Amino acid sequence: AQSVTQLDSHVSVSEGTPVLLRCNYSSSYSPSLFWYVQHPNKGLQLLLKYTSAATLVKGINGFEAEFKKSETSFHLTKPSAHMSDAAEYFCVVSDRASGTYKYIFGTGTRLKVLA
Amino acid sequence: DTGVSQDPRHKITKRGQNVTFRCDPISEHNRLYWYRQTLGQGPEFLTYFQNEAQLEKSRLLSDRFSAERPKGSFSTLEIQRTEQGDSAMYLCASSEQGVSARETQYFGPGTRLLVL
Repeated sequence: AQSVTQLDSHVSVSEGTPVLLRCNYSSSYSPSLFWYVQHPNKGLQLLLKYTSAATLVKGINGFEAEFKKSETSFHLTKPSAHMSDAAEYFCVVSDRASGTYKYIFGTGTRLKVLA
Repeated sequence: DTGVSQDPRHKITKRGQNVTFRCDPISEHNRLYWYRQTLGQGPEFLTYFQNEAQLEKSRLLSDRFSAERPKGSFSTLEIQRTEQGDSAMYLCASSEQGVSARETQYFGPGTRLLVL
């Protein structure tokens, strides 16, 4: 069975400081992993995805994530937080085993950016 | 804008009433998913369509829930005899068939349901 675990339910950073949102995965297959962001009253937006190409994945808005098989991790980072980054972030694994590629979501990390 | 759209955005209903939600996927996408998101949780898979065929249903989808995608385009999700526990955000997503694209889902804004 595939799953993702987001290690922090809440993260607070000051504007201009680095962001680290942690995600560990469990998968019997080579996983496809995603990070989505959800702003209040808005839909889920894809930040980036890993699908077995480069292990360092760059996404939108300055975010990037590194796939580390040895650590079963896919942590999301950004060098400098902006106030507009405050949102809920979800780590996701695609269920390749079922053939439907349905998403299995983590429980989310709420990022707060302090002025 | 040609993204995924959902209607209504908000629905308040009384316990025991039936409700129906609609999802219009991106036009060339033949894969369509419904998810449910409760407060403070990540979305959970409900059901999956490939074209008009419903190929997978979660055990979360009780017999009070039914979903259709009659012509392989828009989809509806109906909840009969609503219960307070059905209160949640219902999300629709779509993706393309192609090997490289099928795993990227595009989400609609969701329908927030409140059952009183």
